[in-house]
Amino acid sequence: TQLLEQSPQFLSIQEGENLTVYCNSSSVFSSLQWYRQEPGEGPVLLVTVVTGGEVKKLKRLTFQFGDARKDSSLHITAAQPGDTGLYLCGTSGSRLTFGEGTQLTVNP
Amino acid sequence: EPEVTQTPSHQVTQMGQEVILRCVPISNHLYFYWYRQILGQKVEFLVSFYNNEISEKSEIFDDQFSVERPDGSNFTLKIRSTKLEDSAMYFCASRERDSRLYGYTFGSGTRLTVV
Repeated sequence: TQLLEQSPQFLSIQEGENLTVYCNSSSVFSSLQWYRQEPGEGPVLLVTVVTGGEVKKLKRLTFQFGDARKDSSLHITAAQPGDTGLYLCGTSGSRLTFGEGTQLTVNP
Repeated sequence: EPEVTQTPSHQVTQMGQEVILRCVPISNHLYFYWYRQILGQKVEFLVSFYNNEISEKSEIFDDQFSVERPDGSNFTLKIRSTKLEDSAMYFCASRERDSRLYGYTFGSGTRLTVV
């Protein structure tokens, strides 16, 4: 099972700030998915990246897949309180395996 | 937007009792999964199911767990004799294809409390 490391574990920022969270592995990802989970809810898919160097944008969220496909980042521009949640990266081989997640809190 | 539906949302049970957690996956999805999240911990894979049989199971999924698809729509997780450490959120997920290009759709979960 591929191990995923996410950093930081916790992040608390003010509304309007920018932030980046990271997902790393010692081995190559065949693909990587980012999810957001809110309290008491299941994870919700944000994006799937499959090609090294790929960049995808989803409104204020920018996802980047490393050239070597061993790392990925999620950048949020001008964070809003509605962005608060647990951000999970997951790699899908025969099963979807999640990292520990980054708990983001955006304060108004 | 199609949804994965889970019932009940909360379940409290006595230790040693059997529980059945129910899920209705998205209708055109072919692959079904159960995940577990103990409070404060990561989301963990339990089992995957395709074509009416288990495709893969984790080391957590021991003999006290079973899954079945009793009809064309429901997908259930049974815990035969619950233990205190089974207390967790249980998430059902489904996927249209078993491909790295396809994402998983999760339900809102069942919070199981074993007392």
